[in-house]
Amino acid sequence: ETGVTQTPRHLVMGMTNKKSLKCEQHLGHNAMYWYKQSAKKPLELMFVYNFKEQTENNSVPSRFSPECPNSSHLFLHLHTLQPEDSALYLCASSQVISGVAKNIQYFGAGTRLSVL
Amino acid sequence: AQKITQTQPGMFVQEKEAVTLDCTYDTSDPSYGLFWYKQPSSGEMIFLIYQGSYDQQNATEGRYSLNFQKARKSANLVISASQLGDSAMYFCAMREAGMDSSYKLIFGSGTRLLVRP
Repeated sequence: ETGVTQTPRHLVMGMTNKKSLKCEQHLGHNAMYWYKQSAKKPLELMFVYNFKEQTENNSVPSRFSPECPNSSHLFLHLHTLQPEDSALYLCASSQVISGVAKNIQYFGAGTRLSVL
Repeated sequence: AQKITQTQPGMFVQEKEAVTLDCTYDTSDPSYGLFWYKQPSSGEMIFLIYQGSYDQQNATEGRYSLNFQKARKSANLVISASQLGDSAMYFCAMREAGMDSSYKLIFGSGTRLLVRP
């Protein structure tokens, strides 16, 4: 499944920079997600968007700002990050049906972020 | 509270042999789904197999099968005839159907599988 595209694949930024991660899904799904994957930690859900509405924000610091202009695109705007924010950031999409547990999320290849 | 446990941080298997990766879960929702994902070193999470809590039969997808034991709350992944390309991290995940306000999957910590030639 190659329906979720993330750019860039790698990003190095200083703590004072502002950058954005982009995710695009070509699967016609109604929900999109940002996850953070740090070394030796389970995948952490950051944000969920359903039909462009943010439905979940898992206590993510305000230096991470998501944007979902339409159901196919998702951005993660980054500013004044810390070195501990270095991680793999994964985007996913799925077709959510209320009351149904089967919610297969399809992931992009991720952006590997290094904060210096 | 929902929880996924993978107790094997790393495993080895000989090429062409079968291997079982363990996963146990905890939930109070009678309707839930269980998922396995593969993550190669490239980073992408690849969906492998799904099992619904009401499914009568164990799920199978090619060389992957899910050994679902509901009473024990376990959902082990079995990979038959291992190939070198199966070397990767494997994650077990769960979603409860009652989580209408949240569409998230709960992931385990993963098992790193290394296939030896």
